[in-house]
Parts: sequence; C-alpha cells; structure tokens
Amino acid sequence: QLQVQESGPGLVKPSQTLSLTCTVSGESITTRNYYWSWIRQPPGKELEWIGSIYFSGTTFYNSSLKSRVTIFLDTSRNQFTLKLSSVTAADTAVFYCASTLVREIDAFDIWGQGTMVTVSS
Amino acid sequence: DIQMTQSPSSLSASAGDRVTISCRASETIRTYLNWYQQKPGKAPKLLISGASTLQSGVPKRFSGSGSGTDFTLTISSLQPEDFATYFCQQSFSTPRTFGQGTKVDVK
Repeated sequence: QLQVQESGPGLVKPSQTLSLTCTVSGESITTRNYYWSWIRQPPGKELEWIGSIYFSGTTFYNSSLKSRVTIFLDTSRNQFTLKLSSVTAADTAVFYCASTLVREIDAFDIWGQGTMVTVSS
Repeated sequence: DIQMTQSPSSLSASAGDRVTISCRASETIRTYLNWYQQKPGKAPKLLISGASTLQSGVPKRFSGSGSGTDFTLTISSLQPEDFATYFCQQSFSTPRTFGQGTKVDVK
C-alpha cells in the first residue's frame, strides 16, 4: 500500500532555504506509474500546487514560485525533496507531499499528513 | 493560469440534508476536475476524479457532475462525518489549481 510522509524542520528563518523530504513506501519513486508532488496550504487559505517530479527527474513548477523552487529525487532512499529558497513569512504553510497515478485525468491520490513550516526569526 | 471558483464559500446544513457545491473554471477544462474532502488538521482526501468517478471506498451518497466550466458536487444525504471543507481542483493544465474551498458545517 503506497504511503507518503513528509519530514523536515518546522521553523525556518527569513531569507533561508526551506528543505522538506517526502519518504515513499509501498512503491518505488522510479516507477513510471506515478509522479510525485508538493502542495502547500497557508493557514486558513486554499491549497497551492508547488511542483511535481516524474521518475525521469523531469520537473514542473508553479511559475509563481519557479525561481525559488527545486524538487529532486533521491532514489537510494526512495525519497523526493523540496527546496524553497529566500523564504519569507508568506511561505508559512502546511506542506503536503502527494502521489499521482499516471492516467489521462489524474489527481492527487495519496497525501501525506502534512508538516507545518513557520518562517520566523 | 486557470482560476477555480467555488460557491458557496460556506454553508450550514443538517444531517440528512441534500447538499450541493458548485465549482466554476475560468476556461474549459472538459472533465479534468477532481473533488477533495478535508477535515480539520488532516490532509485532503480524494473523493471524485474526472468530474464524476467516485474513488474506491467513497460512499455513494457523494456524486459529481459537469463538464466544460461548470461542475457540481452533491451529497445526497449529509452524514455527521461529512462536515468538512471541500475543494475542487483542475488537472487540465499546469499549474494545477484549486478552488478556495467550501466549508460545510452544522446548522
């Protein structure tokens, strides 16, 4: 049974780089059957897609964050990582990782429980 | 970017009520529309994909309809466990975008 789980620091200082890891279990991250995503939700606000990565390492990022975002695979640990640079208080949010079964009309099928990240000095 | 607008933003209902939530896309997305349920402090859960395909394990009181730009999520008879926030999301194009959510609470 596929599961995903976020981990990383809950507090990041302004201007620093936020780094979160998603550990995948029950499936290899190199499978062609899934792709992997990061989504965030600021307190009391709507969900925002950050970006996605495929088995090949191909990435797609939200243009609103593109200059600050990197997502990459760690195949040895079956994890994928999000890095968001130059953070501000506006980046405070619950961050979710999610898996998507590749199909014509796809969706975020499996979500992690989410991890709260606060940007504050 | 495709904007997703839900209505209403919130509604109050009683157990047993029929509830309808609307989602409108700023341009056509055919049937590339998904619905999620989120309870406080929990991750969203996929209920419906492709506008009308119920996910495995989701009760049949949930249904989805629509195509193009206008979509509806219906709960035929609201149950106590259905009080939650519901989001729509388009998977027609990148960036994937979500509606602002509809909170269903107790009347």
